[in-house]
Formats: sequence, structure tokens, C-alpha cells
Amino acid sequence: DVKVTQSSRYLVKRTGEKVFLECVQDMDHENMFWYRQDPGLGLRLIYFSYDVKMKEKGDIPEGYSVSREKKERFSLILESASTNQTSMYLCASSFPWTGRTQNTEAFFGQGTRLTVV
Amino acid sequence: SQQGEEDPQALSIQEGENATMNCSYKTSINNLQWYRQNSGRGLVHLILIRSNEREKHSGRLRVTLDTSKKSSSLLITASRAADTASYFCATMSAAGNKLTFGGGTRVLVKP
Repeated sequence: DVKVTQSSRYLVKRTGEKVFLECVQDMDHENMFWYRQDPGLGLRLIYFSYDVKMKEKGDIPEGYSVSREKKERFSLILESASTNQTSMYLCASSFPWTGRTQNTEAFFGQGTRLTVV
Repeated sequence: SQQGEEDPQALSIQEGENATMNCSYKTSINNLQWYRQNSGRGLVHLILIRSNEREKHSGRLRVTLDTSKKSSSLLITASRAADTASYFCATMSAAGNKLTFGGGTRVLVKP
């Protein structure tokens, strides 16, 4: 059974703290993604990675950074948490579209609800 | 703004009716996907349509894609109360590695 695991379901952090959200997948996927989900705004892409040590900015990267030292793990870092980063954070992974792999279905973790106080 | 925008934002129908939702996007895509999210849970993949396809079926789901209009539609036939969820379209970039979602359509199926 394929799985994307996020390290925490709920987190409460103080303003200014450095926050790490961890995501691990066991499907040998090249692509990994971090989204935040807010009511009425759908899922917004923060960062994605298509290979180890490779990363690209999504639509809302400000205030965030990422790390991908191993293929199975993709970390989202809030350098200095602020109250406007209170949100649901979703991690996902998928194969890239290539000549060999044409199913780019994404698998999602259960999400981390982060509250910054 | 987001790559995908769904319409309508919310939809309320009776059990047995069909539900149709639309998605528009801005840039070239490799494929378009639809996902469902039940309240408080993660997203689940429903169906994928490639940029060179025009229509695809899976069970009670029918997806169309018009790349000239940069739009897609998802039809759920003979809806059930269990179809109550939020539905999202997502586009995979032409390069094949960036997956961008829209704002979603909330569907309520009344028994």
C-alpha cells in the first residue's frame, strides 16, 4: 500500500520559531510537493522538487524553504513562523511524466494543521 | 493567481442527479487531473486526462478536455450522498513535474 507520511497531524508554534514539517514517501517518486490549503483558496503550491537536492519555487514560496537530501524525504521549513502561516500543509509525491512513466497521479499525506500563535 | 480555477465554487444537488463542474487553466499542460477531498482528509486521485485526449470515462465519472479553450469539465452521473466532497482540478506542467491545483468545487449531494 503506497504511503505518504507527514510527521505531525497538528502543530502549535510561537511566532518567530523555526518550524520543520517532514514528509516521507515510500513509492520511489521523483516528484515531491508542498502545498498549503486555506478556506476558499484551494491548494497553493509552495515548493516542489523533481530530484534529490533539486527544488523549484511554486506560487507562494515567500517565508518558506525546503530541503531534499534523500529521494524519499522532503522537508518544508518556516524560517521564522508568522501568524499568517497558520494553515493546513499538504505534502504529495508523484512520478514525473516521461516516456516510460505516464501516470503522474499524486499521492497525498494526511496533512499537518499548523497554528502559529 | 492559480493555474486552475474551478466553477462553480459550490454545488448542491439531489441524490440521483448529475453534477458538473468546470476547470479553466492558463498555461500549456502535459495532463489534467481531478481529485476529491472529503472533509478533513487528504486528497484522492480520481482521473487523469492527457493533453492529447478529449474525453475519458471512469465508472460514473466523465472528464472532457478542450486544450484550445484551456478548459476541462468533470461530470458525476447519478450522484450519491457519498459523493459529497470538494473536487479539485490539477494541471501537470508541460515539463511533467509541476502539479498545480485550482480552488475547488464543494459538492453537496442531498439524500
